[in-house]
Amino acid sequence: EPEVTQTPSHQVTQMGQEVILRCVPISNHLYFYWYRQILGQKVEFLVSFYNNEISEKSEIFDDQFSVERPDGSNFTLKIRSTKLEDSAMYFCASSEVRGVSEETQYFGPGTRLLVL
Amino acid sequence: GENVEQHPSTLSVQEGDSAVIKCTYSDSASNYFPWYKQELGKRPQLIIDIRSNVGEKKDQRIAVTLNKTAKHFSLHITETQPEDSAVYFCAAGYYGGSQGNLIFGKGTKLSVKP
Repeated sequence: EPEVTQTPSHQVTQMGQEVILRCVPISNHLYFYWYRQILGQKVEFLVSFYNNEISEKSEIFDDQFSVERPDGSNFTLKIRSTKLEDSAMYFCASSEVRGVSEETQYFGPGTRLLVL
Repeated sequence: GENVEQHPSTLSVQEGDSAVIKCTYSDSASNYFPWYKQELGKRPQLIIDIRSNVGEKKDQRIAVTLNKTAKHFSLHITETQPEDSAVYFCAAGYYGGSQGNLIFGKGTKLSVKP
């Protein structure tokens, strides 16, 4: 069964550095999402992406964050200048379409980001 | 915006008993309600979902009920097994137009004791 994949599985960075988290959504999916989960807390929506543009973003997704689909398979999340509070597990998700029966979002395994 | 409250935060049951987790949501426009199971250090996995045109859905030992009027939905697990132990998250979303993000509850840590 196809799965969402993410790289790297773990990333350690210094405060102020830029990081790029990579995701490969399921191949026939059209909608892509980033979520984050601070250790021991709930999953929080960051941004959704469709047709090469952001559909929706939360208040967490400020100017330090950006997303891109640089080619036909990858979907990336960039954090320009990391802060300590950016330390979290970042999940990518994808869904096939938005409709009555295909909303299911499939999550990747996550990238654990630690900002020192 | 949408706000999802989930209770209880922890739940401990004996193997074979039933477990019920409840969620409320605030935005009456939400029309899609999935439940995810997350084992320690792993990705959230969808276990069941329900749409607003349905009041109840069942899949083997798992069932979900939705009360649109009261804006709450519940997960029911019967005949619990130790492998059901995990954190369960409810979520609410609106599907239509360009929207579709999920707002998650804070999670319920379910422990099933053998």
